[in-house]
Amino acid sequence: DADVTQTPRNRITKTGKRIMLECSQTKGHDRMYWYRQDPGLGLRLIYYSFDVKDINKGEISDGYSVSRQAQAKFSLSLESAIPNQTALYFCATSPGGDTQYFGPGTRLTVL
Amino acid sequence: GDSVTQMEGPVTLSEEAFLTINCTYTATGYPSLFWYVQYPGEGLQLLLKATKADDKGSNKGFEATYRKETTSFHLEKGSVQVSDSAVYFCALIHPGNQFYFGTGTSLTVIP
Repeated sequence: DADVTQTPRNRITKTGKRIMLECSQTKGHDRMYWYRQDPGLGLRLIYYSFDVKDINKGEISDGYSVSRQAQAKFSLSLESAIPNQTALYFCATSPGGDTQYFGPGTRLTVL
Repeated sequence: GDSVTQMEGPVTLSEEAFLTINCTYTATGYPSLFWYVQYPGEGLQLLLKATKADDKGSNKGFEATYRKETTSFHLEKGSVQVSDSAVYFCALIHPGNQFYFGTGTSLTVIP
């Protein structure tokens, strides 16, 4: 079984809808991250969390919110989706300050 | 602020050719440097890393040397295979801080 899982893997939605992307991990890591990947822009950090009570904004947090429900779960929400949020979204975990372990990604399309 | 610049792709090589993907960085202090690889339809996987100047990271025939004097971490492989076709990301991190990724370089190896 994969150590970092993301659901759903693919999602098509309409402008204005609320969307939640979920990430779960069995690695026991305290640190979790959400990134988005766009062609030609690489990965950009949206939010990160160093433990259940810690939430931090990344480079591009506007239009997104997160919830760290437990050590193993970190959800990303788009309160009112817009077309330029169409992207590939990755969750990652880290034991602390070094290597990150990525999930398989969620492809989100906002029409 | 910290940043990573890597050569733009796409790169197309014949099997058994020599590969170099350039990566330079801007950072204060002494970050750790990484190469991640993303195979089609998958998340990023750590390929190799180096944590201090003059360290050489290596894995699966790939190598990269942490050059502080030129602020570089170029990825090399002596003989590429079709299975090496993927997108390669250079990244840096200061311990306890967030990752900074390059924009990615797409490699296609043709038989």
